[in-house]
Amino acid sequence: QVQLVQSGAEVKKPGASVKVSCKASGYTFAGYFIHWVRQAPGQGLEWMGRINPYSVGTNYAQKFQGRITMTRDTSISTVYMELSSLTSDDTAVYYCAREDSDSGARGDYWGQGTLVTVSS
Amino acid sequence: QTVVTQEPSLTVSPGGTVTLTCASSTGAVTSGHYPNWFQQKPGQAPRALIYATSNKYSWTPARFSGSLLGGKAALTLSGVQPEDEAEYHCLLYYAGSLLVFGGGTKLTVL
Repeated sequence: QVQLVQSGAEVKKPGASVKVSCKASGYTFAGYFIHWVRQAPGQGLEWMGRINPYSVGTNYAQKFQGRITMTRDTSISTVYMELSSLTSDDTAVYYCAREDSDSGARGDYWGQGTLVTVSS
Repeated sequence: QTVVTQEPSLTVSPGGTVTLTCASSTGAVTSGHYPNWFQQKPGQAPRALIYATSNKYSWTPARFSGSLLGGKAALTLSGVQPEDEAEYHCLLYYAGSLLVFGGGTKLTVL
């Protein structure tokens, strides 16, 4: 069965960076985009960007351009999202989600979420 | 900056029918926006319900349906059940491979 398993909770200080991982299993890793979505406490979902694990091509939301980097390691079927220059506004649950681009099904499977807390 | 707008909250009686909508600040929502809908319950990750306007996943209950309605994407729940109480999010695709979520609709079943 398809599974996306994310790394554990993180606590970071303002100005630091965080790197969250998302390990995929149960499907052909290179065949599906992976998106990153975050949700601040009590707020809605916010799309951050996506990566094509096959080509390594990325698309980032304008808001995060310059401080977000998505990478992948095909040997372990894992995608990474690194966010730098953290502020308290980056405190949120971060999710990875899969896209089947052939069908337009974006977010058919989701990771369990990773809580990132930014606090001095 | 593109904004996607949903009703902040709606209330429906058990067994009733409710339609949630999803509007784009750039104009009418079309099939080219590939509307996706998600359900989220407190403390859980979102769960996909509808993709590409009206397509259901194998796990999507039959009472959920997606469509385009009056220039918006729409999610209709027919025969609402108590377990449908949740937050519902829409997601639209824009040129340049960019995606935008709506603000979410909190659905109360009362």
